[in-house]
Amino acid sequence: QMQMQESGPGVVKPSETLSLTCTVSGGSIRSGSYYWGWIRQPPGKGLESIGSISYSGSTSYNPSLKSRVSMSVDTSKNQFSLKLSAVTAADTAVYYCAGRLDIVVVPGSVLSYFNYWGQGTLVTVSS
Amino acid sequence: SSELTQDPAVSVALGQTVRITCQGDSLRGSSASWYQQKPGQAPVLVIYGKNNRPSGIPDRFSGSRSGNTAFLTITGAQAEDEADYYCDSRDSSGNHPLYVFGTGTKVTVL
Repeated sequence: QMQMQESGPGVVKPSETLSLTCTVSGGSIRSGSYYWGWIRQPPGKGLESIGSISYSGSTSYNPSLKSRVSMSVDTSKNQFSLKLSAVTAADTAVYYCAGRLDIVVVPGSVLSYFNYWGQGTLVTVSS
Repeated sequence: SSELTQDPAVSVALGQTVRITCQGDSLRGSSASWYQQKPGQAPVLVIYGKNNRPSGIPDRFSGSRSGNTAFLTITGAQAEDEADYYCDSRDSSGNHPLYVFGTGTKVTVL
């Protein structure tokens, strides 16, 4: 059973860069069937997908955040990371890392879902 | 754009049936997944694919899709089903898939 754990500062100053790392245990981040994602949830609001990365480093970012987001992967440590630059109070949220199975079952049919989630970490943007 | 719209809130009497909808263009080409989230907890997958439940999810949860709308049905709702529910789907128009969540539905069990 794969487990995921977010780590990083709980408070970030406005205009600075938020940096989080997700450590994957109980399985390999090198799985070609998985994408590794970041999702956030502002207090009292819904889930927002930030983006995802493959073990080879291929990325896809939410268009609304693309200019400020960067993700990377370290297969030697079984970790992947998120950087979000120029943060404001609107970036205050619980940040989740998650593993997404994404496989072609038959041509034209893809099985895709987040089946592993971290517990989430609250990041507050405040001076 | 890849947007998924859900009703903000629904209520259901204990033991009755409730259907939650998720609407968006990306659902024409792929199935939705559904997640249950209780206060202070991470989301939990309850339905994936055409209508599959992960181990440990009760069979009162089921999923279906018609056109650009996906449905999550809870048949015989229990008090513990009171939670927020989110759909998500996959937009594969680029080289690397983009995932998008629905706006969320708060389910109250009366």
